[in-house]
Amino acid sequence: DAGVTQSPTHLIKTRGQQVTLRCSPKSGHDTVSWYQQALGQGPQFIFQYYEEEERQRGNFPDRFSGHQFPNYSSELNVNALLLGDSALYLCASSFGPGSSPLHFGNGTRLTVT
Amino acid sequence: RKEVEQDPGPFNVPEGATVAFNCTYSNSASQSFFWYRQDCRKEPKLLMSVYSSGNEDGRFTAQLNRASQYISLLIRDSKLSDSATYLCVVTPYNNNDMRFGAGTRLTVKP
Repeated sequence: DAGVTQSPTHLIKTRGQQVTLRCSPKSGHDTVSWYQQALGQGPQFIFQYYEEEERQRGNFPDRFSGHQFPNYSSELNVNALLLGDSALYLCASSFGPGSSPLHFGNGTRLTVT
Repeated sequence: RKEVEQDPGPFNVPEGATVAFNCTYSNSASQSFFWYRQDCRKEPKLLMSVYSSGNEDGRFTAQLNRASQYISLLIRDSKLSDSATYLCVVTPYNNNDMRFGAGTRLTVKP
């Protein structure tokens, strides 16, 4: 039973570039949530996708966007990267948008130089 | 005030010690509560849910005080493998996102 998988595991980008991170939910899950975790902080909610729509959004600028595909996998896109976007990006899945707890993937560590 | 606040830590304890972590939350309408464990450079993993009646899982005991908006985690007979960061997590009522505290780092030493 595959858990939540994310790719890539590490990524280095320069300021102003764009990045796309990918996530496949745990088998049987249909909802994907994205979190950003800066060093020494807890994960911060970016947004959640269910039925291919953004259902809820945290306090992140429009540079952060996403998509969910019919197979429930999801992408997180960040445009015009800033140094402050360097963080661990975590994808979590669940069955249904209101269910908890969440199951996390291993994360993508993004470094912006 | 942060939505979820935890003991700043770090906690450094010897093997076999009992250690307690505290967490407070600001949204009185919060409905679900959890403790997650996060090892260095790894993803958070669910340790246990927290119920109003309190609950225990082996050496771990979690308690919730809704009136005081306070959650606790007690670890008895600490093991070296308990060394990790412990994240307090709250889900607001009628909301789909989980709110994390900044975490408390625990190091158990031989």
